[in-house]
Amino acid sequence: AQSVTQLDSQVPVFEEAPVELRCNYSSSVSVYLFWYVQYPNQGLQLLLKYLSGSTLVESINGFEAEFNKSQTSFHLRKPSVHISDTAEYFCAVSEAPGGGSYIPTFGRGTSLIVHP
Amino acid sequence: GAGVSQSPRYKVAKRGQDVALRCDPISGHVSLFWYQQALGQGPEFLTYFQNEAQLDKSGLPSDRFFAERPEGSVSTLKIQRTQQEDSAVYLCASSLSAGGQHTFGSGTRLTVV
Repeated sequence: AQSVTQLDSQVPVFEEAPVELRCNYSSSVSVYLFWYVQYPNQGLQLLLKYLSGSTLVESINGFEAEFNKSQTSFHLRKPSVHISDTAEYFCAVSEAPGGGSYIPTFGRGTSLIVHP
Repeated sequence: GAGVSQSPRYKVAKRGQDVALRCDPISGHVSLFWYQQALGQGPEFLTYFQNEAQLDKSGLPSDRFFAERPEGSVSTLKIQRTQQEDSAVYLCASSLSAGGQHTFGSGTRLTVV
């Protein structure tokens, strides 16, 4: 079975500052990794995903995450945040086809709070 | 449809009352998932359907929880004799295939009083 740890429950930053939201996972097989964002009173939206290939994946709004197999991490970064990035961010892991459970496990979430 | 639709958006139930939550997934998505999200927590898996078959219901917390997807499209999550600890947001998600990325609905916020 897989598990996900999001090390920070809350990350406050000032607008235009860089940010990193940390995610570590545990699995004995190959994995798929996801970051979802949840704005207030809305459902989760996919931000980016790693399935295979390049370990660095990017979203359309400037976020990126790097899959690090040796450190079992998938940290989310953005070089310059906006007020509109204030939201809850969830890291999720599922086991790749043939590896076991395809049902994703979600972390507890990190609340990103961007101050003006 | 264009997205995953859930109804009602909010539901207040008296303790002991039965409730039914509806999920209308994206057309053509064979996989459908139900999650429970408590305040300040991540989504916790409840159950999974592939078409009309319920392949995994290991996350359902008790036999008061029941889910169905009789025609492989719309799904209903039913909670019988609701209790206060059932208060949460219930999220539905669909995907093209098992293990694929989820598209989530906006959720149903259930409050049991």
